[in-house]
Amino acid sequence: EAGVTQFPSHSVIEKGQTVTLRCDPISGHDNLYWYRRVMGKEIKFLLHFVKESKQDESGMPNNRFLAERTGGTYSTLKVQPAELEDSGVYFCASSVTWGAFFGQGTRLTVV
Amino acid sequence: TQLLEQSPQFLSIQEGENLTVYCNSSSVFSSLQWYRQEPGEGPVLLVTVVTGGEVKKLKRLTFQFGDARKDSSLHITAAQTGDTGLYLCAGAWTSGGSNYKLTFGKGTLLTVNP
Repeated sequence: EAGVTQFPSHSVIEKGQTVTLRCDPISGHDNLYWYRRVMGKEIKFLLHFVKESKQDESGMPNNRFLAERTGGTYSTLKVQPAELEDSGVYFCASSVTWGAFFGQGTRLTVV
Repeated sequence: TQLLEQSPQFLSIQEGENLTVYCNSSSVFSSLQWYRQEPGEGPVLLVTVVTGGEVKKLKRLTFQFGDARKDSSLHITAAQTGDTGLYLCAGAWTSGGSNYKLTFGKGTLLTVNP
């Protein structure tokens, strides 16, 4: 069974540009989450989808971040326009109930 | 905002030794997960505990959930060099919003020397 996959694995963009991260959860997992780790800090929650609905987006930093999960399958996280402080590793995870399975992450560098 | 304290932050031991990592909160968890992360990879789920006093074993790893569900520990017996990595605890609280939203500790970086 395929795990959670994320694309791209790395992205380097200039300040002001747009980047879209993609996550394919484990098949059959209704719960999909986005997390982020910035340098030197712990992993922090961004938001939670149940199927295509946003259950909790309390961790989204600001309105430059937009997450979607059309059809309740894969999800995208778009950052527009990117700022320097958005650099970090973005993780996607999915679950049936408790116990989330994580992807390998997308390392985003904004220069 | 729930806080989760993990200790120690760094641990360097010799192969064959035992070790314990701790995870504490002032709030009652609804569930707690332990993860292990390698460089360049995502966290890998080791165990989920949900019942106070619960003990789970995974080969040489023993996970314990406190009776009051405010703390947890990970004990490794006879550590091996392959156990080297970052160990993370992550807790969920039933406090509105997502019941499955995880708050992570800062992690314990374990180095097992041959």
